[in-house]
Amino acid sequence: EADIYQTPRYLVIGTGKKITLECSQTMGHDKMYWYQQDPGMELHLIHYSYGVNSTEKGDLSSESTVSRIRTEHFPLTLESARPSHTSQYLCASRSTGTGYQPQHFGDGTRLSIL
Amino acid sequence: RKEVEQDPGPFNVPEGATVAFNCTYSNSASQSFFWYRQDCRKEPKLLMSVYSSGNEDGRFTAQLNRASQYISLLIRDSKLSDSATYLCVVLAPGNQFYFGTGTSLTVIP
Repeated sequence: EADIYQTPRYLVIGTGKKITLECSQTMGHDKMYWYQQDPGMELHLIHYSYGVNSTEKGDLSSESTVSRIRTEHFPLTLESARPSHTSQYLCASRSTGTGYQPQHFGDGTRLSIL
Repeated sequence: RKEVEQDPGPFNVPEGATVAFNCTYSNSASQSFFWYRQDCRKEPKLLMSVYSSGNEDGRFTAQLNRASQYISLLIRDSKLSDSATYLCVVLAPGNQFYFGTGTSLTVIP
């Protein structure tokens, strides 16, 4: 079982608030990812990182930002939440060991913006 | 054209049935292939990697056909607990993962 943790699991908050979704992994994985997934829909990549101080935007335009100051930690921040940000946010990590390694996901954060 | 395409289903099968899902991918240089399982309102969990020669894990068999650019997942002797959405995932050049929309399976008693 992969050791990747997301907090909070659920968050209901008002419009305009600043939100940080936490993601941590204890496996020493260098690659980490943030996905957004609406119910019954596919995953969309919003940010990824290939190591400390490396961050890139994904395929889906997002008003969020990320940082990667430590290998194990990849937080996602929304400066001013809006109802359109309501979704499930999934964090994943993977190793770049031998072969092509799969991604392992955290439990996700269900975000509702009122 | 989407990078990865799956039949969304739903597939409704009786317990004990054999069911197969297919998935096609567009980039012929794709490097690795995986099947994930996602339960309702949960995170995707790795079910199995797909190897070139095909591989089996208990009741689950995965196959890869590079010439036709598709992968398949076969589930034998379906259990109620197999009910979930099955995601086809492809690792393309540039270390980009592409997810299918998922195929929904319901196993009926």
